[in-house]
Amino acid sequence: GQNIDQPTEMTATEGAIVQINCTYQTSGFNGLFWYQQHAGEAPTFLSYNVLDGLEEKGRFSSFLSRSKGYSYLLLKELQMKDSASYLCAVPLSGGYNKLIFGAGTRLAVHP
Amino acid sequence: EADIYQTPRYLVIGTGKKITLECSQTMGHDKMYWYQQDPGMELHLIHYSYGVNSTEKGDLSSESTVSRIRTEHFPLTLESARPSHTSQYLCASSEWGRSGREKYEQFFGPGTRLTVL
Repeated sequence: GQNIDQPTEMTATEGAIVQINCTYQTSGFNGLFWYQQHAGEAPTFLSYNVLDGLEEKGRFSSFLSRSKGYSYLLLKELQMKDSASYLCAVPLSGGYNKLIFGAGTRLAVHP
Repeated sequence: EADIYQTPRYLVIGTGKKITLECSQTMGHDKMYWYQQDPGMELHLIHYSYGVNSTEKGDLSSESTVSRIRTEHFPLTLESARPSHTSQYLCASSEWGRSGREKYEQFFGPGTRLTVL
């Protein structure tokens, strides 16, 4: 089967750096997504990794290691508006056009 | 501007009422999805569709039903609402890409927060 694990909650200070980890188990691999979801709102796309390594996009970076079944999202220069849930998701293997979402990591940024 | 819309955004209704949650997208996407999400909890797929006249049940059993008569429209209906149906319902869509992000990325609507009294 497929499984995704993320920490439930994290806290950090404004201006700091935080790393949100995600481990996954999948029989086939078609990339890994990170979404951001503010409370009561829709998830929005942050990043997609399909090759190993780090991809940087402004204050946010995402890393993937396919051999370890591991990814992380790195948020730099944290701002209060970064307080949100961060969802890790992988496509369901077997040719299905569905995403399997992790439970999400709730990040609280404090002044 | 291409987008995905859901109405109503908020709905408070009494037990036993029939309700329809609307979802429309203007991106021409063939694939559409309905998720249920309780506050602070994970997304659960309850229905999906790969195109007109195609609907499938998702991973979480739901008493709701869906229809897909037009590509852009994917409404969800509850014949008799109950307090256990209280939740947020998110609609999403994705295109028929060949691979990678194009194939799998889902675009979400703003959601409908349903409260059944």
